[in-house]
Amino acid sequence: AQSVSQHNHHVILSEAASLELGCNYSYGGTVNLFWYVQYPGQHLQLLLKYFSGDPLVKGIKGFEAEFIKSKFSFNLRKPSVQWSDTAEYFCAVSPYGGATNKLIFGTGTLLAVQP
Amino acid sequence: NAGVTQTPKFQVLKTGQSMTLQCAQDMNHEYMSWYRQDPGMGLRLIHYSVGAGITDQGEVPNGYNVSRSTTEDFPLRLLSAAPSQTSVYFCASSSGLAGVIVGNEQFFGPGTRLTVL
Repeated sequence: AQSVSQHNHHVILSEAASLELGCNYSYGGTVNLFWYVQYPGQHLQLLLKYFSGDPLVKGIKGFEAEFIKSKFSFNLRKPSVQWSDTAEYFCAVSPYGGATNKLIFGTGTLLAVQP
Repeated sequence: NAGVTQTPKFQVLKTGQSMTLQCAQDMNHEYMSWYRQDPGMGLRLIHYSVGAGITDQGEVPNGYNVSRSTTEDFPLRLLSAAPSQTSVYFCASSSGLAGVIVGNEQFFGPGTRLTVL
């Protein structure tokens, strides 16, 4: 079965620290990859997405992610986090090969940034 | 555009009661879906629809029914609520045509927090 793994469940950082959140997926075919963010009390918002082309994708608010096909990974990075980045981050995969846009989500990583 | 709207925002039910969670979008999106979010489990797909009149089951469909009579609306029905259905429910939509590989971004509604006692 297709699955998405996020290895870090809780991450605590100080402001200005660098961030890397891991995401691995299990699917042998072509995929679309997403990172969504959920700020406290809010709904999910798209941070960035990868469909094809340059495997280094830049998103909003200074986030970026790198797709490494050989490792089935799509890790999220930010060089310097801010207190306002405190949120839950979800990696999601949408496999090709169907008539749908089904998303398979990871379990999420809760990031707390301390001022 | 209002985007994806959901009502109600909060709901408390007793075991065995029924209710319908409403979802509407004004972006003319073909694809709509329902997810539930539970702590430590991420979001799991309940049901989805690729267009009016077409629905299908997701990962956790038991206990839920859906219908899609119009492009705009995609209600989720709980026929007999159970405590295991206590969760936050999100509706999402995206553009895309059935049979076409698109992988477009999904837009999420604000969620409905449901408690079943």
